Amino acid sequence: DIQMTQSPSSLSASVGDRVTITCQASQDISNYLNWYQQKPGKAPKLLIYDASNLETGVPSRFSGSGSGTDFTFTISSLQPEDIATYYCQQYDNLPPTFGQGTKLEIK
Amino acid sequence: QVQLQESGPGLVKPSQTLSLTCTVSGGSISSGGYYWSWIRQHPGKGLEWIGYIYYSGSTYYNPSLKSRVTISVDTSKNQFSLKLSSVTAADTAVYYCARGRVRGVIIGFDYWGQGTLVTVSS
Repeated sequence: DIQMTQSPSSLSASVGDRVTITCQASQDISNYLNWYQQKPGKAPKLLIYDASNLETGVPSRFSGSGSGTDFTFTISSLQPEDIATYYCQQYDNLPPTFGQGTKLEIK
Repeated sequence: QVQLQESGPGLVKPSQTLSLTCTVSGGSISSGGYYWSWIRQHPGKGLEWIGYIYYSGSTYYNPSLKSRVTISVDTSKNQFSLKLSSVTAADTAVYYCARGRVRGVIIGFDYWGQGTLVTVSS
């Protein structure tokens, strides 16, 4: 299985801050990467697919980049409603695998 | 708007079989184009993909669970189901059903159920 490693595991930031999360794959996955947002007690929500494409209806303050083994997820200006855990997920190989998550909190 | 809803027992005894059903509304499983998946999340942990089924009945399971997993589909009821046998406490988790987007292979999960907690305990 392809291992996905996210950093940091947790992050505290202020409203309006630029927030960056990284995800590293254990092998080259091209751009076959998604990002999800999971709020407490809720199911994950797909935000970004193909590493950098925003899902319909997702605010433009969210963005993604990268290819190969290194990927970045950015929130350009943190909003209170962005408090959640964020996961990356690869789909280059079966089984699809997820990172361990990054828990984002407001400072 | 596609909606998914899990149902089934919230408590299962060790060594028994966990059985869950996902009912899909707002879209037809038999229309094809999607892989219908089960995903679980251990308490306070990350996400683990269990497997998927296509409307035709073809399946793919995570090798880590393959020997214990069966996923089936009932297109007449617009439902798909999960059976996980010989459960232990390590199978305690929130179980989600989800719609898998396809582009030759499964690429991501765009609609999810709300999840159901299954506890394995005597």
